[in-house]
Amino acid sequence: IAGITQAPTSQILAAGRRMTLRCTQDMRHNAMYWYRQDLGLGLRLIHYSNTAGTTGKGEVPDGYSVSRANTDDFPLTLASAVPSQTSVYFCASSEKGSTDTQYFGPGTRLTVL
Amino acid sequence: GQNIDQPTEMTATEGAIVQINCTYQTSGFNGLFWYQQHAGEAPTFLSYNVLDGLEEKGRFSSFLSRSKGYSYLLLKELQMKDSASYLCAVRDSNYQLIWGAGTKLIIKP
Repeated sequence: IAGITQAPTSQILAAGRRMTLRCTQDMRHNAMYWYRQDLGLGLRLIHYSNTAGTTGKGEVPDGYSVSRANTDDFPLTLASAVPSQTSVYFCASSEKGSTDTQYFGPGTRLTVL
Repeated sequence: GQNIDQPTEMTATEGAIVQINCTYQTSGFNGLFWYQQHAGEAPTFLSYNVLDGLEEKGRFSSFLSRSKGYSYLLLKELQMKDSASYLCAVRDSNYQLIWGAGTKLIIKP
């Protein structure tokens, strides 16, 4: 089934640990995005990639890094997790880039203790 | 700063009509999106407006007035499955999406 997959579905993590959230899409979309969603706030963009090999910073990039080695995968890494990074993380993709509609993965619920 | 405002919560009755408003103040405008998000699930695309006026798609319609910085999502013949959060997002001059916090719609029988 075409779409976006994310792993893990949920995770509890000790502060200071390193964690990589995985995102894979099979729609051959050029652009991919990472958002976090917190209660009472709108989705906030962490990092994005308009095409394989390029990445950019969003609204809240501090503490996160991304890579885009190929079209399909866009992992998000927390180098040293802190409790304020407790959130639901959504990966999204769009066909051509920022001018297109974004489609979302199922999300990863991350708790940092 | 950039701002998207929508009501936090609304309640409506099954079979009725509800209008969810969204006002925005952004640096530039390159389109407005509405997404639906059921609890614990991903946002799913509902509608896109870039020109003033009404876009109709089945039971759902979305309206845009760029001069007023205003949009609404109209849901007709409400069904219980319409209980969800509805997210308004505006694409700014940098083509990044600015998201509202969402409106939680509760449908009562």
